[in-house]
Amino acid sequence: AQSVAQPEDQVNVAEGNPLTVKCTYSVSGNPYLFWYVQYPNRGLQFLLKYITGDNLVKGSYGFEAEFNKSQTSFHLKKPSALVSDSALYFCAVREAGGYNKLIFGAGTRLAVHP
Amino acid sequence: KAGVTQTPRYLIKTRGQQVTLSCSPISGHRSVSWYQQTPGQGLQFLFEYFSETQRNKGNFPGRFSGRQFSNSRSEMNVSTLELGDSALYLCASSPGQGASSTDTQYFGPGTRLTVL
Repeated sequence: AQSVAQPEDQVNVAEGNPLTVKCTYSVSGNPYLFWYVQYPNRGLQFLLKYITGDNLVKGSYGFEAEFNKSQTSFHLKKPSALVSDSALYFCAVREAGGYNKLIFGAGTRLAVHP
Repeated sequence: KAGVTQTPRYLIKTRGQQVTLSCSPISGHRSVSWYQQTPGQGLQFLFEYFSETQRNKGNFPGRFSGRQFSNSRSEMNVSTLELGDSALYLCASSPGQGASSTDTQYFGPGTRLTVL
């Protein structure tokens, strides 16, 4: 069965420092991977996705993610964190042939301190 | 383009009642999916509709049902509400395509359901 793990409940980063939010996945076949962000009392906002091709994917608001097939990981990164990046981040996987069903990780709360 | 809209945004019901939530997808999108978000279980897939047909379903009891109209708008119904149904219900839309679609799903703001 497909699954997604986000091993950190919370990540704390100082403003201006690089940030990484970790995600590993388990799926049969080729995965389609996604990152979403959720601000308080809001829905999910799409950041980026990996379907195929270059392992480094660039997305919205300066975020990027690196797909590593051998480690089954898809970590979210940003070179310089902003206080406004503080939010809840979700990694999700969609299995090829699974239509639009997304399996989400538990989420990681990112706190960027001034 | 307008985003995904959901109504109502907030709802309070009592146990045993039923509730209907509505979702209007982005114009041109034919697929609508529903998710439940709770602190304990996280984000869980409920079901997906495409061209008025349910084509995928999560592991939820039959009290949870949905439908889609010819204009792609979707409704979700929960009957005989339980306390554990309190959650944020999110809907997402995408163009749809086939079983291995690479489409991005765009989410609405959600409906916060509280069951007393």
